[in-house]
Amino acid sequence: AQTVTQSQPEMSVQEAETVTLSCTYDTSESDYYLFWYKQPPSRQMILVIRQEAYKQQNATENRFSVNFQKAAKSFSLKISDSQLGDAAMYFCAYVIQGAQKLVFGQGTRLTINP
Amino acid sequence: EPEVTQTPSHQVTQMGQEVILRCVPISNHLYFYWYRQILGQKVEFLVSFYNNEISEKSEIFDDQFSVERPDGSNFTLKIRSTKLEDSAMYFCASRGLRGPRYGYTFGSGTRLTVV
Repeated sequence: AQTVTQSQPEMSVQEAETVTLSCTYDTSESDYYLFWYKQPPSRQMILVIRQEAYKQQNATENRFSVNFQKAAKSFSLKISDSQLGDAAMYFCAYVIQGAQKLVFGQGTRLTINP
Repeated sequence: EPEVTQTPSHQVTQMGQEVILRCVPISNHLYFYWYRQILGQKVEFLVSFYNNEISEKSEIFDDQFSVERPDGSNFTLKIRSTKLEDSAMYFCASRGLRGPRYGYTFGSGTRLTVV
């Protein structure tokens, strides 16, 4: 079965600090794509960062970076210099090459303390 | 930046009534999707649509659901006879031909409340 597990229902961090959100997934496929989506209180789903499974280099987008460990099927998100606007629900997701559906984790609610 | 637009943002309907949720995907995208998020739960795939037909659907997407692309711009989700458990946030998404590596663009969602 295709599953995504986010083991941290809630996380909090002090403003300007660094936080890491964890994600593990289960697939027997070798070619797939991983994503982190942010869902602020407005409920819109916003793409934060993406990673191709065939790439060993970890993706980075400004203050956001990932630690992709393919053998361990782990895809964690690191947010550096946390800002109040980073407060949101964060969802990890993946899609297999050639498939259509994104498979989502349960989400991690991130709180930023001023 | 191009957006996926969903209307209405919030709809309240009585149990048993039909509802149509509307989406305008990004204009040059060819793959369209509906996802559902029951309050406090994870986002679940409902259906994907390509080349004017359903390409994949989940177990949730039963005979009460249907999708349509009535013209060149709109993509709709119809629920024929709503149930209380259909109350959820419904997201439309689209992606282009370049493939899933570039991600999916989601709309802002329609909050459906069935009373």
